[in-house]
Amino acid sequence: DVKVTQSSRYLVKRTGEKVFLECVQDMDHENMFWYRQDPGLGLRLIYFSYDVKMKEKGDIPEGYSVSREKKERFSLILESASTNQTSMYLCASSSQGSNTEAFFGQGTRLTVV
Amino acid sequence: AQSVSQHNHHVILSEAASLELGCNYSYGGTVNLFWYVQYPGQHLQLLLKYFSGDPLVKGIKGFEAEFIKSKFSFNLRKPSVQWSDTAEYFCAVSQQTGANNLFFGTGTRLTVIP
Repeated sequence: DVKVTQSSRYLVKRTGEKVFLECVQDMDHENMFWYRQDPGLGLRLIYFSYDVKMKEKGDIPEGYSVSREKKERFSLILESASTNQTSMYLCASSSQGSNTEAFFGQGTRLTVV
Repeated sequence: AQSVSQHNHHVILSEAASLELGCNYSYGGTVNLFWYVQYPGQHLQLLLKYFSGDPLVKGIKGFEAEFIKSKFSFNLRKPSVQWSDTAEYFCAVSQQTGANNLFFGTGTRLTVIP
């Protein structure tokens, strides 16, 4: 079974803090993604990566950055957390190719106070 | 840009009622289509997927979906819902060529009353 593991289920951070959300997958997938999930807005793509050290902006990259130093690990960084970044963050991975599905982690619920 | 529309935000049904959740997408190329489900407190799980072939796709737990290319639709159906189907349902689309990241709809919350 594919496993996508996010390091924390719940986080509470203060405004202005630098926040790291970690995601690890164990299926040697090339693609990794970070989404945020908000009520009434569904899932919106923040950043994705097709390979080690490669990253692409998604629909809402402002205020975020990412790091992919190893194939299995994809980190989301909030440089200076703000209250409007309070959300559920979901990591996903998939293999390359035209007919692939994404597998999701359990999510990290981040609250910025 | 691609977009995915789910017209029902919250659906309330009694057990044994039939379910149909609408999903429409906008993209002119060849797409992959998915329905994901999120049970309360759990992670997103794949319910079913369409890549090619038979447009009627069967998934887990008695769900099915029909791809109608001319209508850009991929509606989810279940003939008889159970209380355990209470969850949030997301339709998603990805391109078959180039970038294959998923575009999601806003989700439909289904509440099944025993």
